[in-house]
Amino acid sequence: EDKVVQSPLSLVVHEGDTVTLNCSYEVTNFRSLLWYKQEKKAPTFLFMLTSSGIEKKSGRLSSILDKKELFSILNITATQTGDSAVYLCAVEASKGGSEKLVFGKGTKLTVNP
Amino acid sequence: NAGVTQTPKFQVLKTGQSMTLQCAQDMNHEYMSWYRQDPGMGLRLIHYSVGAGITDQGEVPNGYNVSRSTTEDFPLRLLSAAPSQTSVYFCASRMDRGNQPQHFGDGTRLSIL
Repeated sequence: EDKVVQSPLSLVVHEGDTVTLNCSYEVTNFRSLLWYKQEKKAPTFLFMLTSSGIEKKSGRLSSILDKKELFSILNITATQTGDSAVYLCAVEASKGGSEKLVFGKGTKLTVNP
Repeated sequence: NAGVTQTPKFQVLKTGQSMTLQCAQDMNHEYMSWYRQDPGMGLRLIHYSVGAGITDQGEVPNGYNVSRSTTEDFPLRLLSAAPSQTSVYFCASRMDRGNQPQHFGDGTRLSIL
C-alpha cells in the first residue's frame, strides 16, 4: 500500500527561526513529489520534485528530493508569522495507467512573533 | 480565469439525504479529482477522471458517485448521506500532459446530522 509519512506532525517556532519539515514515502511507480501549503482553505502549490539532488527554491522556501532514500525536506528560513499553516507532502504514483496523489497527514507549523 | 470553483461552500444534511457537490474548472484541464479531508487523516482520494466520459475510483469511493460529461465539470454525488461522510471536500484539476501539479478549489464543508 502506498504511504507518505510526514514529521513532525506539529511544530511551534519563533519568528526568525529556520525549520525543516520531513516527508518520507513508500510508493510503487513514483512520478513526482509535491509540497503544498494549506492555510484556511485550499492547499496551494509550492514545489514539484521529480529528480534527486536538485534543490527547488522560492524566496525563503526550498526543497530537495532523495529518491534513493525515499524522502524529501522542505526548509523555511527566517520564518514569519505568515508562514503559519499546514504543510502537505504528496507523492504522485502511477497505477493502472493513471496517476494518483497520495498525501501525508501534514505538518502544522505555528510561527509565534 | 476563475480556476477551480466549488459550490456550495457549506452544507448541512440529514442522514439519508442525497446531494451533489459541484466542481467546475475553466483551465481546460483533462484530469480532475475529488478528495476528502478529515482531522488527522490528510487528504484521501475519492474518485478521479482523466477526461470526459472516463472516471475511476480512488482510495475511499464507497457512498459516492461521479460523472464527467464535459471537460469543465466533475460533480460528486452523495447517494444517501451518512454521518461518516461529514468532512471537507476538495476538488482539484491539472493538465494531463507532462508533470503538472494539481490545483485545488476552496472546498465544501459538509456536515451530516
